[in-house]
Amino acid sequence: NAGVTQTPKFRILKIGQSMTLQCTQDMNHNYMYWYRQDPGMGLKLIYYSVGAGITDKGEVPNGYNVSRSTTEDFPLRLELAAPSQTSVYFCASSREGGTQYFGPGTRLTVL
Amino acid sequence: AQSVTQLDSHVSVSEGTPVLLRCNYSSSYSPSLFWYVQHPNKGLQLLLKYTSAATLVKGINGFEAEFKKSETSFHLTKPSAHMSDAAEYFCVVSRSGDSSYKLIFGSGTRLLVRP
Repeated sequence: NAGVTQTPKFRILKIGQSMTLQCTQDMNHNYMYWYRQDPGMGLKLIYYSVGAGITDKGEVPNGYNVSRSTTEDFPLRLELAAPSQTSVYFCASSREGGTQYFGPGTRLTVL
Repeated sequence: AQSVTQLDSHVSVSEGTPVLLRCNYSSSYSPSLFWYVQHPNKGLQLLLKYTSAATLVKGINGFEAEFKKSETSFHLTKPSAHMSDAAEYFCVVSRSGDSSYKLIFGSGTRLLVRP
């Protein structure tokens, strides 16, 4: 099993550009999460989903959007990239109440 | 509200000596507590978790943590450090009964292991 996969691994954006960070899991987990990790800090929750078609905001949702059309995929959309969105983004998935399994991360720089 | 405070941003030990990474938590409800490890340029891996069973929790790679409600602490220990233990460690809390099961992370402790 691949677990949680994220693409791309690295990306550089110009201010105002948009992009989608992809996240896929093959463990049939209902719960999926997006976190961001700023330098020297812990992870902060952006959005989460408890199942296909259901999403909700986390601690830092501004500037992002998500969708969950399938159990496997949970893409994160940045519409107008800003320097403050320079960060490492982690996707995670879990069964209900189970351990969260994390992907390897996407390192995003906005210049 | 839940929060965790990791008391040391950096800890440096010699190989073969004990490791102590300190974590205090704040929670209005019965918490679930975790320690995750992040090796350089890697994702996060669960070391161990406490979910109101035994207060002494054993994890992978010889790590363990003790839940002390009276001290609101969940310190991570290992009897003998190995070079491969060098990494960033995160103390994490989740609120029991929170239907989203979202995790709240501490700011991390970077463990350096000297040869």
